[in-house]
Amino acid sequence: EVHLLESGGGLVQPGGSLRLSCAASGFTFSSYVMNWVRQAPGKGLEWVSVISEDGSVKHYADSVKGRFTISRDDSKNTVYLQMYSLRVEDTAIYYCAKKICAGGACGGLDSWGQGTPVTVSS
Amino acid sequence: QSALTQPASVSGSPGQSIAISCTGTSGDIGPYDYISWYQQHPGKAPKLMIHDVSNRPSGVSDRFSGSKSGNTASLTISGLQAEDEADYYCCSYTRYSTWVFGGGTKVTVL
Repeated sequence: EVHLLESGGGLVQPGGSLRLSCAASGFTFSSYVMNWVRQAPGKGLEWVSVISEDGSVKHYADSVKGRFTISRDDSKNTVYLQMYSLRVEDTAIYYCAKKICAGGACGGLDSWGQGTPVTVSS
Repeated sequence: QSALTQPASVSGSPGQSIAISCTGTSGDIGPYDYISWYQQHPGKAPKLMIHDVSNRPSGVSDRFSGSKSGNTASLTISGLQAEDEADYYCCSYTRYSTWVFGGGTKVTVL
């Protein structure tokens, strides 16, 4: 059974940094593209970032580009989201999610973690 | 990267069919079949209902179906049930190699 477990969320002041982790199990982690998606309180889903299977390709939403960095460690079956220069508007639950297909062209995130909350406030 | 456009709310009676539209542009929905739909109940993580326009993951009821025409994708729920009451989000790949979600639609079962 696929399992994704996020951690690292918490309360941070504006301008601060935080690193989120997502530990994966139940599938061949190195074969799958991984994403981060966030949801501000009472708001909709917002895609944040994606990393390719081998970690060589990364893309970001305009709202976080230059401030967030996605990475992965296949030896630990873990994907990370390093967040810098945090703003109040980054306050959200952050989910990691697995792409539905391995190696192919497809669209869909079939497994999600329970999310980790990030609050940016002074 | 503007969000895809969804109606804020859709409602229907048990047993009825409803459709949720998701309108994008020639830079996202139009040229790609990487369209997915998610169901989210309050306080829960999203659940994939449809991927690649019209494909259902195993375990998802066949009452859920998806389609696309031009720059607009649609999710249809037939035989509406009380358990279908939730928020629904569409998502599309974009020409910038990024992804974009719709604003979400609240489905109410009357």
